[in-house]
Amino acid sequence: DAKTTQPPSMDCAEGRAANLPCNHSTISGNEYVYWYRQIHSQGPQYIIHGLKNNETNEMASLIITEDRKSSTLILPHATLRDTAVYYCIVRYRDDKIIFGKGTRLHILP
Amino acid sequence: GAGVSQSPSNKVTEKGKDVELRCDPISGHTALYWYRQSLGQGLEFLIYFQGNSAPDKSGLPSDRFSAERTGGSVSTLTIQRTQQEDSAVYLCASSLRSTSRLSGANVLTFGAGSRLTVL
Repeated sequence: DAKTTQPPSMDCAEGRAANLPCNHSTISGNEYVYWYRQIHSQGPQYIIHGLKNNETNEMASLIITEDRKSSTLILPHATLRDTAVYYCIVRYRDDKIIFGKGTRLHILP
Repeated sequence: GAGVSQSPSNKVTEKGKDVELRCDPISGHTALYWYRQSLGQGLEFLIYFQGNSAPDKSGLPSDRFSAERTGGSVSTLTIQRTQQEDSAVYLCASSLRSTSRLSGANVLTFGAGSRLTVL
């Protein structure tokens, strides 16, 4: 089973920040949190990852709670092209990687 | 190559036939993963390789499914006696194993997938 829990779907208005939550209450100390997204009919694409500290790159920001039991992916200015299924996973090194059902994000014009 | 390459991109076959799906990972990537995605569903883990070894084959749906990896590079997923429920997109991903025992960060790069249709 996946080690993460995500809402099945979310809506966000175009131009607004999209905040996607993820619960990973059983995360262990050496496991990283990763986010990927899958745009219709394409292979999943890496977005960002983190261990303890908040992270930011050109695509998104990742906020991890102090107890590491949950995290939030933030897309600062959502566009229609951000419509996708977003997956949150936890893993350490080369462990078997299980993807859950993810969150289907709808960007509303 | 620059990315993960999968072939064929599309395969239509008749029930009962065998099929082979190929994955060419990014050069130097030691870990390789196979997933299956049925229409409208999430990613189903099948198997992963570390080098040529498969530490975890638990995701293979039945003994009709097998996979191998040679030379630490190309991998082949074989489905024998295909059934209609095998119809799906088969995705391959690779990652570079961290050389530091303190670093657990490995990013997966996915291929575009092989769409299998069993008639």
